[in-house]
Amino acid sequence: EPEVTQTPSHQVTQMGQEVILRCVPISNHLYFYWYRQILGQKVEFLVSFYNNEISEKSEIFDDQFSVERPDGSNFTLKIRSTKLEDSAMYFCASKSVRLPYEQYFGPGTRLTVT
Amino acid sequence: EDKVVQSPLSLVVHEGDTVTLNCSYEVTNFRSLLWYKQEKKAPTFLFMLTSSGIEKKSGRLSSILDKKELFSILNITATQTGDSAVYLCAASLFGNTPLVFGKGTRLSVIA
Repeated sequence: EPEVTQTPSHQVTQMGQEVILRCVPISNHLYFYWYRQILGQKVEFLVSFYNNEISEKSEIFDDQFSVERPDGSNFTLKIRSTKLEDSAMYFCASKSVRLPYEQYFGPGTRLTVT
Repeated sequence: EDKVVQSPLSLVVHEGDTVTLNCSYEVTNFRSLLWYKQEKKAPTFLFMLTSSGIEKKSGRLSSILDKKELFSILNITATQTGDSAVYLCAASLFGNTPLVFGKGTRLSVIA
C-alpha cells in the first residue's frame, strides 16, 4: 500500500541552526500539508501546498518557515533559525484529487532543538 | 474559531471492555469528520463520516456522526491491549483546507 515517507525520523539541532525536514508524499497525490505536534499537545496545522504554491498557512508558519517541492517527489519544510519551542513532531500529509477527504500522514520527524 | 473537542481526555479500561469515545465540533463549512488512531508516531486513518446516522464499522470499531447535534462517537468493543493509543478526531472542511484536530483521547487497555 502506498505511504507517505519522511526523513529523518529524528533530528537534533542547536538553537539558531537551520533544519530541513523531508517528505515524499504518495505519488498521485496533489495536496500536501505540514502539521506539528508538540509533546502532549494536539496536532496543529502549519501549511498546505497545491500546484506548487502555498494555499493556506497558519499563524505558526511565520517567516522562519518555508516549504518547497524541489522535484516531482519531495516536499520539504525548512526552518531557518530554530528556536527551543520548535521542538515537536512534524508530520507531512498528502491527499489525492480523487479522495479529497482523507489525508494520509507520514511517520513524522521528531525535531529536538537544544 | 473552529474547534473540535474530545472527551474523555484519557481512559483506562480492562481487556474485553467496551469503550465509547466522544467528539464534538464547532466549525464553519463542515464537510466530514475523521477518526485517526495514533500510537507511537503518525496518525493512521480509521474512519471518515460524511452523512448523519450511518454507522461505519471495521472489525471491533464502529463510528457514527450526528450532524444535527454536531458530534460523533467511536466505539470499540471487546478491547485488546493493542487498542491502546491516542484516538484523534478531526473535522474536514470544504475547500482544500487543513484538518482541525481535537486533543485526542488517550486509551489504555490493561490485561
